[in-house]
Amino acid sequence: GIQVEQSPPDLILQEGANSTLRCNFSDSVNNLQWFHQNPWGQLINLFYIPSGTKQNGRLSATTVATERYSLLYISSSQTTDSGVYFCAVDYSGGGADGLTFGKGTHLIIQP
Amino acid sequence: DVKVTQSSRYLVKRTGEKVFLECVQDMDHENMFWYRQDPGLGLRLIYFSYDVKMKEKGDIPEGYSVSREKKERFSLILESASTNQTSMYLCASNGGNSPLHFGNGTRLTVT
Repeated sequence: GIQVEQSPPDLILQEGANSTLRCNFSDSVNNLQWFHQNPWGQLINLFYIPSGTKQNGRLSATTVATERYSLLYISSSQTTDSGVYFCAVDYSGGGADGLTFGKGTHLIIQP
Repeated sequence: DVKVTQSSRYLVKRTGEKVFLECVQDMDHENMFWYRQDPGLGLRLIYFSYDVKMKEKGDIPEGYSVSREKKERFSLILESASTNQTSMYLCASNGGNSPLHFGNGTRLTVT
C-alpha cells in the first residue's frame, strides 16, 4: 500500500514561532487532508487539499501532487496549537475507501 | 457543522464480552468509517461502509464486524472482546470526495 511519512516526528517551539510540517507520500493520490488532534483526542479536519495552496487564519497548506509532498505552515504559534498533526491520503479515489494516515508530528508550544 | 457522535467516551469491558460501539452522523453522508488508534501505530482502518447495508474490510478487520442498517448509523461490534482490542476507537464520515469528520472517540479498555 501507499506509504505516508511525516516529519519531524516531534517539535517543541516557543509561543509566537513559525513552523513547517512535511508529509511525503509514495504514490499518486486523489486527495490529501491535514488533521489536528488536540490533547483530549479530538481530531479536527484542517484542510482538504489534493493540490495547490489554501489558507485558514494562521494556518496554510500546500500540496505539490506531482512531487508527492504536502506542507503545513503554522505562523505565530499559540499554546492551543499543541497536539498531533496528521496527514492522510486517499489514493484509490471516490473517498469511500478510507484514508491512509501518517504517524503524525507531535507539536508542543511552550508559553 | 458536521456532527459525528459516538455513544460512549469511555468503556470498560471484560474479556469475552460482546461489545457494541455506536456512531451516528447528522450530515446524510454516504461513507462511514471505523479506525482504531494505538501509540506507535497511528490510525488504522478497521471497516468502512459506502451505503446502507454495505460494508468493506479495512486494514485490520480481524475480530471485528460492523452493521449499517440506517444511513446515519454505523456500529462496530467486537464479537468476543480481547485485551489486544484495548484501544481508542474513532468513527468518521464523509460524502464522496469531501473532508473527513471524526467523532470524539471511544476509549475502550478490555480487562
